[in-house]
Amino acid sequence: AQSVTQLGSHVSVSEGALVLLRCNYSSSVPPYLFWYVQYPNQGLQLLLKYTSAATLVKGINGFEAEFKKSETSFHLTKPSAHMSDAAEYFCAVSDVYGNNRLAFGKGNQVVVIP
Amino acid sequence: EAGVTQFPSHSVIEKGQTVTLRCDPISGHDNLYWYRRVMGKEIKFLLHFVKESKQDESGMPNNRFLAERTGGTYSTLKVQPAELEDSGVYFCASSPYEGYTEAFFGQGTRLTVV
Repeated sequence: AQSVTQLGSHVSVSEGALVLLRCNYSSSVPPYLFWYVQYPNQGLQLLLKYTSAATLVKGINGFEAEFKKSETSFHLTKPSAHMSDAAEYFCAVSDVYGNNRLAFGKGNQVVVIP
Repeated sequence: EAGVTQFPSHSVIEKGQTVTLRCDPISGHDNLYWYRRVMGKEIKFLLHFVKESKQDESGMPNNRFLAERTGGTYSTLKVQPAELEDSGVYFCASSPYEGYTEAFFGQGTRLTVV
């Protein structure tokens, strides 16, 4: 079985400061890893994904994440937070068979403080 | 190209009533998934269709939930009779073929059972 841990349901960050959202996964097979974002009143949108190619993955809106197998982590970062980054962020894992049966973390609600 | 469409966007029903949620996947997508997020919890997988066949329904909580995908196009998820614990946001997602490493999500249906 696969699982994801995201700590800290609410994360506050100052505008212009580093955004760091932590994700640790558990998987018995090589994982695919994803970060999704949900803006208010919208659906889940893919930010970025790791599918066993480059370990540093760049996504939309200036976000990136690094896959670290030794730490079973896939933390999401953005160097400088913008007010428009206020949203809920979800880390998810599936397996390399590409069946898209995703196991999600509980999510991080990001608040950007002006 | 239209994205994944779900309706209604919100539904409030009384305990014991029946509700049917609908999902229209992206045209041509063979794979269709249902997920649910109960308040305060993580988004959880419910089931997976490949065309009109149920590939995996291991996440369905009980037999009050019935999913169908007639003709391999849109899907419905019926809850009968609804219970208070069924409240949450129901997400639908689709992907074009097996092995495609991304699922495209709809905006979700918020179901409230009172």
